[in-house]
Amino acid sequence: AQRVTQPEKLLSVFKGAPVELKCNYSYSGSPELFWYVQYSRQRLQLLLRHISRESIKGFTADLNKGETSFHLKKPFAQEEDSAMYYCALRRGSTLGRLYFGRGTQLTVWP
Amino acid sequence: SAVISQKPSRDICQRGTSLTIQCQVDSQVTMMFWYRQQPGQSLTLIATANQGSEATYESGFVIDKFPISRPNLTFSTLTVSNMSPEDSSIYLCSVGSSGDDSGANVLTFGAGSRLTVL
Repeated sequence: AQRVTQPEKLLSVFKGAPVELKCNYSYSGSPELFWYVQYSRQRLQLLLRHISRESIKGFTADLNKGETSFHLKKPFAQEEDSAMYYCALRRGSTLGRLYFGRGTQLTVWP
Repeated sequence: SAVISQKPSRDICQRGTSLTIQCQVDSQVTMMFWYRQQPGQSLTLIATANQGSEATYESGFVIDKFPISRPNLTFSTLTVSNMSPEDSSIYLCSVGSSGDDSGANVLTFGAGSRLTVL
């Protein structure tokens, strides 16, 4: 069965510090992974996806199939990065059927 | 990407009653998805709603409890029937966005409907 685990419910860092939000998954097939973000009073929105190999707002995430991980990283956190971050796994090619982790609330202190 | 409007944004309901949530999209979409987020939990897919066919429900969700309508390509409703306090959740409507050159598709979410069942 597929599963997405975000071990940290809360994560706090100071502005300018590096930040890493952890995500591990279990899935027997070929996974497609995403990070979604929800800022305060805003809708859940896509941050980035592994197949695009992109950097969004300074965040990057590399899929490590050996460790079944998709950790989200940013070298220098900003206060505006404070938000709820969800890691999500899409099973196969079925659009819309995402399995979400429980989320990590990131707080960046000034 | 599509713009999604959900109604109601929040409601307080009595045990045993039913409530219908509406989802309106500003463009035609083939599939619409209903997710639930219980307090302190992750988002869980309830069902996929295709226009012109019955919704496809995920394990643990049944049509009698969560009937879904999809009368056209821009609108869907989710009804939460015979509610109990365990149904207190945020219910989210989502649709697929168009992909980029990679061919991947991502989801756009509505603002959600927060239901509290007393």
